Amino acid sequence: GQNIDQPTEMTATEGAIVQINCTYQTSGFNGLFWYQQHAGEAPTFLSYNVLDGLEEKGRFSSFLSRSKGYSYLLLKELQMKDSASYLCSPNTGFQKLVFGTGTRLLVSP
Amino acid sequence: DGGITQSPKYLFRKEGQNVTLSCEQNLNHDAMYWYRQDPGQGLRLIYYSQIVNDFQKGDIAEGYSVSREKKESFPLTVTSAQKNPTAFYLCASREGTGANPPLHFGNGTRLTVT
Repeated sequence: GQNIDQPTEMTATEGAIVQINCTYQTSGFNGLFWYQQHAGEAPTFLSYNVLDGLEEKGRFSSFLSRSKGYSYLLLKELQMKDSASYLCSPNTGFQKLVFGTGTRLLVSP
Repeated sequence: DGGITQSPKYLFRKEGQNVTLSCEQNLNHDAMYWYRQDPGQGLRLIYYSQIVNDFQKGDIAEGYSVSREKKESFPLTVTSAQKNPTAFYLCASREGTGANPPLHFGNGTRLTVT
């Protein structure tokens, strides 16, 4: 089976830094995807981690620890447009791709 | 531009009626997926297909059916057996081979059953 946990909701202020955690237990693991989804819209791909460590992509970074079954998405210099849900999706190596419940991030002025 | 098209954007049906949601992609992707999203929730997998004429049940397949007669198309039928069909439905696709490509999503169909 698979178990994917994320916090339901987080709040932060504009300009701040926020870390969104994801823990997972899966049968098979090749890497982990992060997606962003604005309300009422389709999810869009943010990052994919295969190896342990931090990968930086502009204001967004993603970290993976395979041994701990843990990942986080780090958002720096928060902007109002970053208010969205962030979805964690472990890649088990099979075509069946599942998601965590998602973390809704609210950025306030 | 290549992409995934879901139609219609909003769909209303009476309880007891079957309804089919359309999903078409011109990305030449092998694998296609259907997800359901309820308010404030994550995505739950309904069905997925890795190649034409083949598909597998996801975690919540009961009350749904699919077909994959063409590579470009993966329609989802919500049957009257689905107890709580009102939801936001997302179709996605990805390349079948290569180094773990991400999913590409359509813009979704919001189904309301009354």
